[in-house]
Amino acid sequence: AAGVIQSPRHLIKEKRETATLKCYPIPRHDTVYWYQQGPGQDPQFLISFYEKMQSDKGSIPDRFSAQQFSDYHSELNMSSLELGDSALYFCASSLGVQTREQYFGPGTRLTVT
Amino acid sequence: AQKVTQAQTEISVVEKEDVTLDCVYETRDTTYYLFWYKQPPSGELVFLIRRNSFDEQNEISGRYSWNFQKSTSSFNFTITASQVVDSAVYFCALSEVRGNDMRFGAGTRLTVKP
Repeated sequence: AAGVIQSPRHLIKEKRETATLKCYPIPRHDTVYWYQQGPGQDPQFLISFYEKMQSDKGSIPDRFSAQQFSDYHSELNMSSLELGDSALYFCASSLGVQTREQYFGPGTRLTVT
Repeated sequence: AQKVTQAQTEISVVEKEDVTLDCVYETRDTTYYLFWYKQPPSGELVFLIRRNSFDEQNEISGRYSWNFQKSTSSFNFTITASQVVDSAVYFCALSEVRGNDMRFGAGTRLTVKP
């Protein structure tokens, strides 16, 4: 079965650079969520989109922005990167927001040097 | 505010032992969802189970079983006859109906030794 696809899987950036992470949800899933997991931490919710509209917002820094496109894929844009942004970034998708059954992608490991 | 507590930071067992991972949650909502995810060393999050607040039936799936008790706000996870491949970090998570986010516990690192 098709799963959530995230690209790239690994990314190395320098401080103050920008990064764009991409997420392709499971086919027919219309809801996308972004999470950030720091080293040794639990995943923290950043933001979610339902039918291309932002549906909820968590602890997403102002330097980050995200959107969901007409084909339901989503991109997380990160600017002025800081060392503390080094983390595993997960995208999850679900069919609607009511099911709450979020399927996670493999994650993008971002390293900021 | 929603909160998930996994008091066991690390557990180490020997293969074939049974092990229970504890999860206690807090929420003001009457409708909510509870989850367990497995995160193996490779890093991906593997969905194990979802339970809604109105369904207190315990569930068994192979060697995995879950005990949901609303009276104690607990959703514990038991692995029977553990195997080395069960070694991973296990996260319990809570999602309230009002919001779309999922609140994770701190995770329990399970090590199963041969």
